[in-house]
Amino acid sequence: AQKITQTQPGMFVQEKEAVTLDCTYDTSDQSYGLFWYKQPSSGEMIFLIYQGSYDEQNATEGRYSLNFQKARKSANLVISASQLGDSAMYFCAMTSRLGTNAGKSTFGDGTTLTVKP
Amino acid sequence: GAGVSQSPRYKVAKRGQDVALRCDPISGHVSLFWYQQALGQGPEFLTYFQNEAQLDKSGLPSDRFFAERPEGSVSTLKIQRTQQEDSAVYLCASNRGLAGGITDTQYFGPGTRLTVL
Repeated sequence: AQKITQTQPGMFVQEKEAVTLDCTYDTSDQSYGLFWYKQPSSGEMIFLIYQGSYDEQNATEGRYSLNFQKARKSANLVISASQLGDSAMYFCAMTSRLGTNAGKSTFGDGTTLTVKP
Repeated sequence: GAGVSQSPRYKVAKRGQDVALRCDPISGHVSLFWYQQALGQGPEFLTYFQNEAQLDKSGLPSDRFFAERPEGSVSTLKIQRTQQEDSAVYLCASNRGLAGGITDTQYFGPGTRLTVL
């Protein structure tokens, strides 16, 4: 079975500082994708960044980067230069490429990030 | 369309009523996914379609839940004889499916908040 663990229910960061949101995953699959989504209070899930299990380089998208450590099964999200608008819930998710879990995503329980002015 | 749309955005049902939730995916997206999100938790997979074929319905909680996508575009999630534990946000997502690979990024709609009294 697939499992995503986000151990930080809530995080605070000062505006303009960097913050790391933790994510570890458990899977027996060899081929999978890892995702981070942002969910503001409005409720919509906004895609932030993707990392493939065979990608050797860590993914980056603007202020977002993914610190992928395959041996440790971790995929932490780093947000640089935090902005007030970054305050939201953040979800880590995984989708397997093969097998009985192919195509469906498993999500963690999320981390609530609050950016302080 | 520009994004995934869902209707209604809010639905209040009396216990025992049937409800139907609609999802319009991004035009041309082959795969469509339904998730259930309880308050304060991450989304839980319900079912997914590739075109009109329902490839996985392992997440549907009971036989009161039924999903269809008869023409491979719009999908409807139907819940019969609603119960209080069905209260949640129901999220729909779509992606390019085969064209983008099975781990292609899923783009989410705004969700339907269902409250069962």
